[in-house]
Amino acid sequence: DIQMTQSPSSLSASVGDRVTITCQASQGIGTFLNWYQQKPGKAPQLLIYDASNLEMGVPSRFSGSGSGTDFTFTISSLQPEDIATYYCQQYDDLPTFGGGTKVQSK
Amino acid sequence: QVLLVQSGAEVKKPGSSVKVSCKAPGDTFTSYAISWVRQTPGQRPEWMGKIIPILGKTDYAQKFQGRVTITADKSTRTAYIEVTSLTFDDTAVYFCARDRPAVAGHFDYWGQGTLVTVSA
Repeated sequence: DIQMTQSPSSLSASVGDRVTITCQASQGIGTFLNWYQQKPGKAPQLLIYDASNLEMGVPSRFSGSGSGTDFTFTISSLQPEDIATYYCQQYDDLPTFGGGTKVQSK
Repeated sequence: QVLLVQSGAEVKKPGSSVKVSCKAPGDTFTSYAISWVRQTPGQRPEWMGKIIPILGKTDYAQKFQGRVTITADKSTRTAYIEVTSLTFDDTAVYFCARDRPAVAGHFDYWGQGTLVTVSA
């Protein structure tokens, strides 16, 4: 299995802050990487697919970049509704998820 | 909006089996795959397997091979996952998700989740 390592595991930020999360794959995966947002008691929601493509209906403050083994997810200006846990997920091989980043309000 | 509707919460004894259902819109059954993902409390999601309903073709994560069976009933547009020989470690929320047929891993719509509790 391809292992996905996210960092940090949690962070605190204020409304308006720029938030950056990184994800590293244990081997090269091209751009076969997605990012999801999950709120408590809810299913994950797809935000970014193929490393950098914004899913339809997702606000443009969310973005992703990277290829190979290193990827970055950014929220350009944190909003209150963005408080959630974020997961990366690869699908170059059978799908595996990163350990998650919990974004909390400072 | 694509609505996937799952069956309700279950409580099972160790060693027993559970079968969770996921009802999907018609075009999901004809044009997409359905994957199953589970999540134990506070842990990362874990992909279990998928089915292409129109073909009946399945793929499973190696961890679940032999203990998990995914099926689909085209007449009712319902997918199922059955997990046998349950242990306490199978206590989790089980999600179905719409997926691409060719390559597993593009989960763009999800069911609401079904909590399965394994308890003596």
